Amino acid sequence: DAGVTQSPTHLIKTRGQQVTLRCSPKSGHDTVSWYQQALGQGPQFIFQYYEEEERQRGNFPDRFSGHQFPNYSSELNVNALLLGDSALYLCASSLGPGQGPFGQFFGPGTRLTVL
Amino acid sequence: GQQLNQSPQSMFIQEGEDVSMNCTSSSIFNTWLWYKQDPGEGPVLLIALYKAGELTSNGRLTAQFGITRKDSFLNISASIPSDVGIYFCAGLPNTGNQFYFGTGTSLTVIP
Repeated sequence: DAGVTQSPTHLIKTRGQQVTLRCSPKSGHDTVSWYQQALGQGPQFIFQYYEEEERQRGNFPDRFSGHQFPNYSSELNVNALLLGDSALYLCASSLGPGQGPFGQFFGPGTRLTVL
Repeated sequence: GQQLNQSPQSMFIQEGEDVSMNCTSSSIFNTWLWYKQDPGEGPVLLIALYKAGELTSNGRLTAQFGITRKDSFLNISASIPSDVGIYFCAGLPNTGNQFYFGTGTSLTVIP
């Protein structure tokens, strides 16, 4: 039973560039949430996808966008990168509403460095 | 947004000692989760709590969902070196689908 997988593991970009991060949820899960974790802080919620739609969004600018595919995998896109976007980006998967326990399972994360 | 306060911020304990940490919120939560995170890795789910007053164990770990629904507690008994890491609480409020995370408790176990 594969857990949550994310790619790539590490990424280095320069200011102004665009980046795409990918996530495959745990087998049987249909909901994907994305988080940004700065060094020394707890994860901050970016948004959540269910049934290929964004269900909820945290306090992040429109430069952060996402997509969910029919196989439940998801992408996080960040445009016009800023130095402050450097962080560990985490994907978490869970079951959709009303389908059972709401525990979220995290992937290993993608470490993004913006120079 | 919701604020979750975790305490203590850090702990240095001797191997074999018991550990207690807690998480408080200004709002009512429906679900509490406890995670452990090692450096450079994603958080690993330890315990999930779904009902006020619920007490759940996972090996040497025990967590409780506070009666007021505004707090949760995690205890680790007989600590061992591999317990080292950062422990996060996360809560799901009454409305919405967003989990809010605490600030983390850094645990160091001295052999």
